[in-house]
Amino acid sequence: QKEVEQDPGPLSVPEGAIVSLNCTYSNSAFQYFMWYRQYSRKGPELLMYTYSSGNKEDGRFTAQVDKSSKYISLFIRDSQPSDSATYLCAMSDGQNFVFGPGTRLSVLP
Amino acid sequence: ETGVTQTPRHLVMGMTNKKSLKCEQHLGHNAMYWYKQSAKKPLELMFVYSLEERVENNSVPSRFSPECPNSSHLFLHLHTLQPEDSALYLCASSLGTSGRNEQYFGPGTRLTVT
Repeated sequence: QKEVEQDPGPLSVPEGAIVSLNCTYSNSAFQYFMWYRQYSRKGPELLMYTYSSGNKEDGRFTAQVDKSSKYISLFIRDSQPSDSATYLCAMSDGQNFVFGPGTRLSVLP
Repeated sequence: ETGVTQTPRHLVMGMTNKKSLKCEQHLGHNAMYWYKQSAKKPLELMFVYSLEERVENNSVPSRFSPECPNSSHLFLHLHTLQPEDSALYLCASSLGTSGRNEQYFGPGTRLTVT
């Protein structure tokens, strides 16, 4: 079993849709969870950072962590074509970082 | 310049060439990283530096040689690469090497080995 699993997509949604992106993981020691957005030919950009379980909201983005299920989610409300990118989840046990392979999202106008 | 910058943005090199990638961070961070990103694969951590000292080397072939002259600059020296080394090479920095510190990435160098 891979340490972090993420559906590679591509995921295509119409503009205005609610998008749900997910990662599952196997290491129960992970406590710090991040979501990065990576546009084509660019480096990953940090979107959300959460510690332990719970929700965090920032504008149209909500990050959710369920440690009991080893499952994290990123929700995007009112999705825009400019949200089209690859979304990487990342997590850490306080020492080591592990990244998911990324989900490619296309928001169609 | 702000954030993390990388040069060159694109590089094509033959298998016998020697070239270097440069990274500079303007965030006042103490830790810097090199990652390799290949299509449809997770980011692969190559090297970690903390205050100019290498703290991690993840079984990277010796044809990749990092150098960190100070906490703001990081180089990756390349020689006798293989075609499978073609990838996006990303530099990142963080406040410290603790996993609590989020990492900030540069735009990457797209490397093609012919």
